Amino acid sequence: NAGVTQTPKFRVLKTGQSMTLLCAQDMNHEYMYWYRQDPGMGLRLIHYSVGEGTTAKGEVPDGYNVSRLKKQNFLLGLESAAPSQTSVYFCASSYSDRGYEQYFGPGTRLTVT
Amino acid sequence: KQEVTQIPAALSVPEGENLVLNCSFTDSAIYNLQWFRQDPGKGLTSLLLIQSSQREQTSGRLNASLDKSSGRSTLYIAASQPGDSATYLCAVDWYSSASKIIFGSGTRLSIRP
Repeated sequence: NAGVTQTPKFRVLKTGQSMTLLCAQDMNHEYMYWYRQDPGMGLRLIHYSVGEGTTAKGEVPDGYNVSRLKKQNFLLGLESAAPSQTSVYFCASSYSDRGYEQYFGPGTRLTVT
Repeated sequence: KQEVTQIPAALSVPEGENLVLNCSFTDSAIYNLQWFRQDPGKGLTSLLLIQSSQREQTSGRLNASLDKSSGRSTLYIAASQPGDSATYLCAVDWYSSASKIIFGSGTRLSIRP
């Protein structure tokens, strides 16, 4: 099993450009999450999904959109990138809600200039 | 506001020492608490998950304890090794947080050979 994979690993964008980050998991997990990690601030939840076709807002959703068209994939979109979105983005998945471990991908380092 | 705090932000100890990492949280109505390890440039790896009804969990040289009444958890690492060098994060799931776990900002641990 590959676990949780993320594409791409690195990306540099100019302000105003758009991009989509792809997260894929092969563990048949229902729940998927997108986090961002900034220095000294820990991880903050952007959006999450409790199953195929569902999405919900997390702590810092502004400027991002997500889609979960297939159970194994969770996409994070930036429609008009801003320098404040420079961060490391992590995707995670879990079998179910409470009481189950979250499994993380290796991260995508995004720089917006 | 529900918050998770980890102090100190960085810790350096000589190899072989036993050490304790701290995590404190506001609001004792937690569902569970999870400890993660993060290596530089990598994703997070779950170490231990403690349910609300448990007082501690053990895995190899790691022991995590939970004291809800005082809002504290500790991660005890026995006989530390240079390979234990990493950032350790704790994350709390509260009953009221609806699928969202809150992360501390982590303690960066360095084990000196």
